[in-house]
Amino acid sequence: EAGVTQSPTHLIKTRGQQATLRCSPISGHTSVYWYQQALGLGLQFLLWYDEGEERNRGNFPPRFSGRQFPNYSSELNVNALELEDSALYLCASSLGQGLSYEQYFGPGTRLTVT
Amino acid sequence: QKEVEQNSGPLSVPEGAIASLNCTYSDRGSQSFFWYRQYSGKSPELIMFIYSNGDKEDGRFTAQLNKASQYVSLLIRDSQPSDSATYLCAVKRGNDMRFGAGTRLTVKP
Repeated sequence: EAGVTQSPTHLIKTRGQQATLRCSPISGHTSVYWYQQALGLGLQFLLWYDEGEERNRGNFPPRFSGRQFPNYSSELNVNALELEDSALYLCASSLGQGLSYEQYFGPGTRLTVT
Repeated sequence: QKEVEQNSGPLSVPEGAIASLNCTYSDRGSQSFFWYRQYSGKSPELIMFIYSNGDKEDGRFTAQLNKASQYVSLLIRDSQPSDSATYLCAVKRGNDMRFGAGTRLTVKP
């Protein structure tokens, strides 16, 4: 069974540009989560999508947005990039709700803003 | 107060020893608790989860949960150098999962 996939692996942008990150969940998983992991810091929750709808978002400005497509894949967009947006962006998928439904992580996209 | 707190470490133990990793959380409504391992430059991978008070064992790993004290721990028996990684505690309420910053563990041969 294929795991969570993310693209691109690395992304280099300059301040003020826009970045688009993509994620494909495990087959059958309907929930997709996005996290930011800055160097030396823990996972910061960004967004949660389920069945095509945004269900929750973390404490991030509106320039972080995304969507989930009918095939449950997802896209994270970061507008007006700032230097502090440089981080590893992790996508995770889950079967849905339930106490034991863990999240499976993709390999991440390393975003560097110069 | 952080939602999920972990000692950042580094925690260093000799090979063969027991490594004890601790996590406290602030939300009393938290329902399930997960431990992930993250090697440097890699994504987190699930070790185990627990949602009932007490101990849960899986091979060399034991998770312990005390909801009254809002405390969850992970014990790694017979620690191996390959266990050297950052261990993330995650706390879930409904479909909302929050992560601690992680504890870096080093197992010395």
